[in-house]
Amino acid sequence: NAGVTQTPKFRVLKTGQSMTLLCAQDMNHEYMYWYRQDPGMGLRLIHYSVGEGTTAKGEVPDGYNVSRLKKQNFLLGLESAAPSQTSVYFCASSNPLRGGEFFGPGTRLTVL
Amino acid sequence: EDKVVQSPLSLVVHEGDTVTLNCSYEVTNFRSLLWYKQEKKAPTFLFMLTSSGIEKKSGRLSSILDKKELFSILNITATQTGDSAIYLCAVNAGGTSYGKLTFGQGTILTVHP
Repeated sequence: NAGVTQTPKFRVLKTGQSMTLLCAQDMNHEYMYWYRQDPGMGLRLIHYSVGEGTTAKGEVPDGYNVSRLKKQNFLLGLESAAPSQTSVYFCASSNPLRGGEFFGPGTRLTVL
Repeated sequence: EDKVVQSPLSLVVHEGDTVTLNCSYEVTNFRSLLWYKQEKKAPTFLFMLTSSGIEKKSGRLSSILDKKELFSILNITATQTGDSAIYLCAVNAGGTSYGKLTFGQGTILTVHP
């Protein structure tokens, strides 16, 4: 069991570039999430999905898009990166009935 | 809007000390409160609390929930340097937000030898 994996682990972008972060889980979880973590602000939810083909906005969705075409994958896209999107991004998945979210190792993104 | 506030934001202690971390919340349709430990990478799950007054324990860590006063505490006894981490509290709110966690800012715990 790999759990939750994220690619890439690190990325540096220039302002205006686009990129996609990939999250994969092998626990058959229905729910998947994308968070960003900034110093002193804890984890903030960007988008989440309660099942294949569904997505919903979280607390800070602006500037990001997501897709959940397959149950095991959740993609986070940045269409036109901005320096304010410099952050560490975590993907997570869960079975809420059992409690606890399983987090991926994170992606450190720097936008210059 | 759901809100979770943790205190203190940071704490420095010596090995062997006991610490208490606080988490208060304001959410609609509360379902559960969760504690996570985050070292250098991803948060790892510690406890999930759903009922008031029932203590959850794991080794030197314990946690309890008060649903009337809307808070939870996480206790760590006989702290060790390996307990140094960010401790995150999160609340799972039900209804249309079922399965969605709202996190507090985290408490940075530093344990010196």
